[in-house]
Amino acid sequence: NAGVTQTPKFRILKIGQSMTLQCTQDMNHNYMYWYRQDPGMGLKLIYYSVGAGITDKGEVPNGYNVSRSTTEDFPLRLELAAPSQTSVYFCASTLGGSREQYFGPGTRLTVT
Amino acid sequence: QQQVKQSPQSLIVQKGGISIINCAYENTAFDYFPWYQQFPGKGPALLIAIRPDVSEKKEGRFTISFNKSAKQFSLHIMDSQPGDSATYFCAASSPGNTGKLIFGQGTTLQVKP
Repeated sequence: NAGVTQTPKFRILKIGQSMTLQCTQDMNHNYMYWYRQDPGMGLKLIYYSVGAGITDKGEVPNGYNVSRSTTEDFPLRLELAAPSQTSVYFCASTLGGSREQYFGPGTRLTVT
Repeated sequence: QQQVKQSPQSLIVQKGGISIINCAYENTAFDYFPWYQQFPGKGPALLIAIRPDVSEKKEGRFTISFNKSAKQFSLHIMDSQPGDSATYFCAASSPGNTGKLIFGQGTTLQVKP
């Protein structure tokens, strides 16, 4: 099992550009999450999904969108990149009923 | 705003010493308290977790102490090793069917040889 995979590992965007961060898990987990990590701030939940076709906002959803068309994939979309979205983004998954979240290796995004 | 407050922000410990990281929470509905360990360039990984019906849980050199009345919990790393150098996050979760975690701010631990 590859676990949770994220692409790309690094990306530099210009202000106003858009991009999609990819997340895939092969553990048949029904719950998936997107976090951003900023220095000294911990991990903040952006969006989450409890199953295909079901998504909901987390603590910091502004400027982001998600979709969940399959159990395996949970892409995160940035439509108009802003410098405030410079961060490290982590995708995580878990099986409903378990509280242990499995994290991907992260995507480091810089918006200039 | 549900919060989990973590301290200290950074910690330096000599090899063989005890590392202690503290967390405090506000929401009494939280019923699951994990600690995650993150090495540079990697995603966090579950280290140890506790539920509020016990006051202590030990796994090897790692122990969680839980004080329900004070709404505090802490991670103790006994016989700290240079390989323990990482960032540690406490977190908390409420009952329900979303599995969402509220994370503390993180503590960067350096264990000096």
